[in-house]
Amino acid sequence: GDSVTQMEGPVTLSEEAFLTINCTYTATGYPSLFWYVQYPGEGLQLLLKATKADDKGSNKGFEATYRKETTSFHLEKGSVQVSDSAVYFCALSLANAGGTSYGKLTFGQGTILTVHP
Amino acid sequence: SAVISQKPSRDICQRGTSLTIQCQVDSQVTMMFWYRQQPGQSLTLIATANQGSEATYESGFVIDKFPISRPNLTFSTLTVSNMSPEDSSIYLCSVGNRDYEQYFGPGTRLTVT
Repeated sequence: GDSVTQMEGPVTLSEEAFLTINCTYTATGYPSLFWYVQYPGEGLQLLLKATKADDKGSNKGFEATYRKETTSFHLEKGSVQVSDSAVYFCALSLANAGGTSYGKLTFGQGTILTVHP
Repeated sequence: SAVISQKPSRDICQRGTSLTIQCQVDSQVTMMFWYRQQPGQSLTLIATANQGSEATYESGFVIDKFPISRPNLTFSTLTVSNMSPEDSSIYLCSVGNRDYEQYFGPGTRLTVT
């Protein structure tokens, strides 16, 4: 079945450090890929997405590139801030036969990021 | 993006009882989804709720335990029946759009004692 694997956490960084959270996937079709973020005490928010190979999603300084050859969608940020402390989830969704995706999301296990001043 | 609200935001229930969670969306949507997030874990899809038809349940989830209603395009309910402490979780509804995105409600934090 379809699955998403994230790097084991938690991840602890100092402010302004470079961030990478690894994400790889297994899917039978051609998934859309997402990163969601859950800040402390808040709901789940869509951070960025990519819908086809070589697409780069970006938002709030975060980036991730859809790599079909390595089945990966690693999240990166060049300089993290304390306010980036949150749980990050990688997820995939497969389009239905019509090519329009209302499909369910399959989530990775989540990575806790803590950024210290 | 859609604005999604859930009621209640949290509840503490006794084992053997049932709780119905409501999900309201500010616009008409075709599909709604119900997820469970157990303490310290990731999200797991319970079922997909289509308006006017039976919900589609994922492996490990059954209608008798998690009955779902979807009476119109802006509303859905999930009932957690005959609860046990293992049902203590955050329950989230979400809606999908044609841009491959899903948006989540704030969640209902359920504690079963």
